Amino acid sequence: EVQLVESGGGLVQPGGSLRLSCAASGFTFSNYWMHWVRQGPGKGLVWVSRINRDGTRTTYADSVKGRFTISRDNAKNTLYLQLNSLRVEDTAVYYCARDFGTTDNWFDSWGQGTLVTVSS
Amino acid sequence: SYELTQPPSVSVSPGQTARITCSGDALPKEHAYWYQQKPGQAPVLVIYKDSERPSGIPERFSGSSSGTIVTLTISGVQAEDEADYYCQSADTSGTYPVVFGGGTKLTVL
Repeated sequence: EVQLVESGGGLVQPGGSLRLSCAASGFTFSNYWMHWVRQGPGKGLVWVSRINRDGTRTTYADSVKGRFTISRDNAKNTLYLQLNSLRVEDTAVYYCARDFGTTDNWFDSWGQGTLVTVSS
Repeated sequence: SYELTQPPSVSVSPGQTARITCSGDALPKEHAYWYQQKPGQAPVLVIYKDSERPSGIPERFSGSSSGTIVTLTISGVQAEDEADYYCQSADTSGTYPVVFGGGTKLTVL
């Protein structure tokens, strides 16, 4: 069974940092692109970032470019998202998702999410 | 930026057919995907590549595409189908590899 389990969320002050983790199991992690998607309170889904199978290619939404860094450790079957220079508007549940696409990106499995709250 | 537009809400009575649309300029060239999200839960894929249904998704869920509009159809709506539904696609340039629509709240009356 495919499982994705996020952790690392919490309360942080504006300007602070957090590192989110997503532990994957039940599939060959290194065979899949992976993504982070977030959802603000009462808001819709917003794509954040993606990383290719070996971690050499990354892409970011304009809203987080230069502040967030996606990475992965295939030996540990874990996806990461480093969040720096956090803003109040970054408050959201952050989901990791497995990309099942070949020529395009779409998500067949999602974690349960981890809540990041940015507030003073 | 590239946008996918969905109606904020759709309401139907049990047993009726619900249709949720999603419009975007790139949809004639890019596939669309649909996710169902219930309160407090992660999204679940219900339709991929415009009209394909993943295993385990009830047959009452179907998808179609016509030009710049894709449609999620739920036939014989049940109370358990009440949820938010999001379409997802991409722009043709590759600048925006993943874009979600704003979401549609399906209410079963």
